Amino acid sequence: GDSVTQMEGPVTLSEEAFLTINCTYTATGYPSPFWYVQYPGEGLQLLLKATKADDKGSNKGFEATYRKETTSFHLEKGSVQVSDSAVYFCALSESQRGNKLVFGAGTILRVKS
Amino acid sequence: DTGVSQNPRHKITKRGQNVTFRCDPISEHNRLYWYRQTLGQGPEFLTYFQNEAQLEKSRLLSDRFSAERPKGSFSTLEIQRTEQGDSAMYLCASSSGTEIDTQYFGPGTRLTVL
Repeated sequence: GDSVTQMEGPVTLSEEAFLTINCTYTATGYPSPFWYVQYPGEGLQLLLKATKADDKGSNKGFEATYRKETTSFHLEKGSVQVSDSAVYFCALSESQRGNKLVFGAGTILRVKS
Repeated sequence: DTGVSQNPRHKITKRGQNVTFRCDPISEHNRLYWYRQTLGQGPEFLTYFQNEAQLEKSRLLSDRFSAERPKGSFSTLEIQRTEQGDSAMYLCASSSGTEIDTQYFGPGTRLTVL
């Protein structure tokens, strides 16, 4: 079945540092990739998504580009803030499979002031 | 739009007891999904409904688990004869017919089986 691999955490950065969280996947069909974020004590929130190859999703300063040739959807942010500290999940959805989501294991991000 | 709600937020039970969780999706969302998340892992798909029809069940959903969505609105997930391995966060999500690939999650129900 489909699978998602994320870089292991925790990732610890200083405020204003550049962030990259790698995400690669294996899928047999035509998946749509997503990034979800889980802040401490809160539920999963959609951060950004892409629907076709070379699409760039963006939200709150975060960006990710859907690269079909490398089966990747890496998350980036140019300057992180303490408030970005959270767990980030990469996920895939396939329309042929009821759009159920397949998640990676999550990457903990800690930003120090 | 009040978001997806789940009740209860926390449930502690003894092994062998039955538990039932409820999920109220975003109004007018016709798809509803259940996931399970254990500590340090991403959510895993359990089952999903389109309106009242249960269209897919994961192999993770043993015969002790049953889910319903009787009127195509709220859904319930029941676990019979709970085991310690059932301890997890149970998440519900919903999506609309116009944005079918985007799921909105509830806060989850944390189950602890003693």
